[in-house]
Amino acid sequence: AQSVTQLGSHVSVSEGALVLLRCNYSSSVPPYLFWYVQYPNQGLQLLLKYTTGATLVKGINGFEAEFKKSETSFHLTKPSAHMSDAAEYFCAVSGNNDMRFGAGTRLTVKP
Amino acid sequence: AAGVIQSPRHLIKEKRETATLKCYPIPRHDTVYWYQQGPGQDPQFLISFYEKMQSDKGSIPDRFSAQQFSDYHSELNMSSLELGDSALYFCASGINRVPTDTQYFGPGTRLTVL
Repeated sequence: AQSVTQLGSHVSVSEGALVLLRCNYSSSVPPYLFWYVQYPNQGLQLLLKYTTGATLVKGINGFEAEFKKSETSFHLTKPSAHMSDAAEYFCAVSGNNDMRFGAGTRLTVKP
Repeated sequence: AAGVIQSPRHLIKEKRETATLKCYPIPRHDTVYWYQQGPGQDPQFLISFYEKMQSDKGSIPDRFSAQQFSDYHSELNMSSLELGDSALYFCASGINRVPTDTQYFGPGTRLTVL
């Protein structure tokens, strides 16, 4: 079975500061990992995904994540936060035919 | 580019009523997934279909049923609605049940049960 744990239900950063959202996974098979963003009253939008190959994955809106097997982690980062990044972020793992989501991290960006 | 379409976007029902949610996948996508997201919670997988056959089942209550039709659209039927069914219901579509493939999510249907 697969699962993900997101550390920190709320993260607050200042505009221009580094964004770091943490995700650890558990999987009995090679994991396929995803980060989705959800803006208020909207659906889930894919930021990036890791399947195989390069462990540093670049996504949309300047986000990237690094797959670290030794740490079972897939943390999401962005060098400089924008006000428009304020949203809920979900880490997810897929190893079979469904997707398991973490509890989500709400990112707040302060002016 | 075409996206996943869900209808209706909002639905208000009373307890013990029934509801039908519809999902139209991205063209040429053959797999549909249904998720339920309660207030302040993460999406929970309900059920999925591949080529019109149920492929996986998650935490879908027995009061709910779903199917995928020949045109690949899917419907989630919910009966004997309870207050706890109030949630955002997402449909996602993909290709060939491949777990590496991205699931593209629709905007969701917000169901309110009074």
